[in-house]
Amino acid sequence: GIQVEQSPPDLILQEGANSTLRCNFSDSVNNLQWFHQNPWGQLINLFYIPSGTKQNGRLSATTVATERYSLLYISSSQTTDSGVYFCAVVGVDDYKLSFGAGTTVTVRA
Amino acid sequence: SAVISQKPSRDICQRGTSLTIQCQVDSQVTMMFWYRQQPGQSLTLIATANQGSEATYESGFVIDKFPISRPNLTFSTLTVSNMSPEDSSIYLCSAGEPRAYEQYFGPGTRLTVT
Repeated sequence: GIQVEQSPPDLILQEGANSTLRCNFSDSVNNLQWFHQNPWGQLINLFYIPSGTKQNGRLSATTVATERYSLLYISSSQTTDSGVYFCAVVGVDDYKLSFGAGTTVTVRA
Repeated sequence: SAVISQKPSRDICQRGTSLTIQCQVDSQVTMMFWYRQQPGQSLTLIATANQGSEATYESGFVIDKFPISRPNLTFSTLTVSNMSPEDSSIYLCSAGEPRAYEQYFGPGTRLTVT
């Protein structure tokens, strides 16, 4: 199956800092999603972005499908941004989401 | 976007017992999925819940341990049978359309087995 690698595994930020999370995948995809898992365990949909660039407030994402990677940008981080960020993909011959291991983000006040 | 609810939100169960988790979607969807997230880990797909037929299980998961029902296009249940402490996890259901469409997740059921 398709492999998904996320980096870095852990990230500690001071409030107000910017950061970039990376997701590499091993094959062509029909679907790529970024999620934020809050401390209560709920997965929040951030972006559906199989290609191109999107922005939502302080968050933005870019997927370069031809080079098999996606980036999630967090600007002016806040303590509420803390949690685990997951990248997940669906391969072109598949219908199931494959998840990366996640990046744990801690934003300190 | 689909809105998904799960019941119960959390439970503490004795080993050897079973728990059934319910997942309700606010609109008809083609595909529903069940995931397990063990402490500190990523999400692992248990099975795809198929309406009107048996679920499709991933490697390492079997029907006897995780029976799944899907009686219609908006509802599914997952049962965790004969539980052991190793089954302590968050169980999440998701819904979506084949291949290219966005998937949405329920809030999860946090299960602790003692």
